[in-house]
Amino acid sequence: EIVLTQSPGTLSLSPGGRATLSCRASQSVSSSYLAWYQQKPGQAPRLLIYGASTRATGIPDRFSGSGSGTDFTLTISRVEPEDFAVYFCQQYGSSPMYTFGQGTKLEIK
Amino acid sequence: EVQLVESGGGLVKPGGSLRLSCAASGFNVNNYYMNWVRQAPGKGLEWVSSISSNSRYIYYADSVKGRFTISRDNAQSSLYLQLSSLRVEDTAVYYCARDLRMVALDSWGQGTLVTVSS
Repeated sequence: EIVLTQSPGTLSLSPGGRATLSCRASQSVSSSYLAWYQQKPGQAPRLLIYGASTRATGIPDRFSGSGSGTDFTLTISRVEPEDFAVYFCQQYGSSPMYTFGQGTKLEIK
Repeated sequence: EVQLVESGGGLVKPGGSLRLSCAASGFNVNNYYMNWVRQAPGKGLEWVSSISSNSRYIYYADSVKGRFTISRDNAQSSLYLQLSSLRVEDTAVYYCARDLRMVALDSWGQGTLVTVSS
């Protein structure tokens, strides 16, 4: 089973700053199967990025994804007030079908 | 607009059973794998189960295999999860989620809370 480790656990930034969130896999992951989600308190997760770098429908272009192999990154170019949330990476595999990282909390500095 | 609405959560004693439902609208469910994902209070996300569009292929997380049963009724645009032999550690919000070509989960319901406690 592939384990996804996200860092940092908490990222403190001011609005307008640049956020860089990391997701490291315990073994190589196909870029096609790496996704990122945003979750706000009391809400369901929302798909942001799939295929490591493709934005989901309606996602602003300040969100971008990159990486390959075992190291993937979610970048928010200029953090807006509504972006403060928890972010999860996810990979699709054979068993279990989906595994998630433990999450990075983006909080207001 | 794609909508997924879960129901059926509640308080149940250890060893008990519960059936969760997910009503889908705004898309043709016949064309999609569907999933259940759970989130324990204050914790991360855990995939629970997946079912193919025609119910031919079904998958479970090891943590629920033999205790949970996923099913669907495409005519009713509905997804189900039968939870049996429930444990305290099954306490979580259970989300229904649509599968994006077995790559990611592109639409989620609001979740239904299952609490297992004596």
